[in-house]
Amino acid sequence: GENVEQHPSTLSVQEGDSAVIKCTYSDSASNYFPWYKQELGKGPQLIIDIRSNVGEKKDQRIAVTLNKTAKHFSLHITETQPEDSAVYFCAAHNQAGTALIFGKGTTLSVSS
Amino acid sequence: GAVVSQHPSRVICKSGTSVKIECRSLDFQATTMFWYRQFPKKSLMLMATSNEGSKATYEQGVEKDKFLINHASLTLSTLTVTSAHPEDSSFYICSARDPYRQETQYFGPGTRLLVL
Repeated sequence: GENVEQHPSTLSVQEGDSAVIKCTYSDSASNYFPWYKQELGKGPQLIIDIRSNVGEKKDQRIAVTLNKTAKHFSLHITETQPEDSAVYFCAAHNQAGTALIFGKGTTLSVSS
Repeated sequence: GAVVSQHPSRVICKSGTSVKIECRSLDFQATTMFWYRQFPKKSLMLMATSNEGSKATYEQGVEKDKFLINHASLTLSTLTVTSAHPEDSSFYICSARDPYRQETQYFGPGTRLLVL
C-alpha cells in the first residue's frame, strides 16, 4: 500500500525565516496531496493541497511543490510567524483512492 | 473550508463501559466519513471508512465488534467504543469528504477519550 515519509520530524526557525517540510510517497498512482496543520488538542486543519496535474500551488505565505517523477512534494512557509508553530502533516491518497495516508508529522517551532 | 463537528470533545469513562462519539458535517452532505485514532505525538492512523447506508470498512487490525460505526444519515456518523479499556484511551478524530471536491477531507476537532 501507499507509504508516506515526512522530514524533518522537528524544525525550529526564527520569526521571519522560511520553513520547508518534505514528503515522499511510494504509490505512483497517488494524485492528491494535502497538507494539514494541527495545533495542540485540536483536529487537523487543511492549509493547502495540490493535485498531480500541477507542479506548484501558492496561497499567500504558503506554497506546495510536487515532483511526480521523483514522487516527492514539499511545503514552503515564508516569513514565518510564532502562530505558525504547530504540527504539520502531509498526506497522499491511498491506492483505493479514498482514504488519506499521513506522514508522521513535523513539529514546527517559530521563535520570536 | 467546510465545518465538521464532534461530540463530546472529551470523555472520561470507567473500564468496561461503552462510549459513543458523534461526527457531523455541518454545511455539506458527506456520503463518506473517516475515523482516525491518534496517540500523543504520533500521526493519524485510519481506523475505518464509514459510508452512508452501508457497512463500514475497517483497516487491518481494527476490531469491528469493538469499534462500532454507524453512518445513518448524510451528516452524521457515530463511533461507539464498546467495553472500553485503558488501552483504548486516545484522541479520536473524524473527517468528512466533500462531495464537490472528491478528494478533500475536512477534520473534526477530535474527541479525547480517557478510560479509567
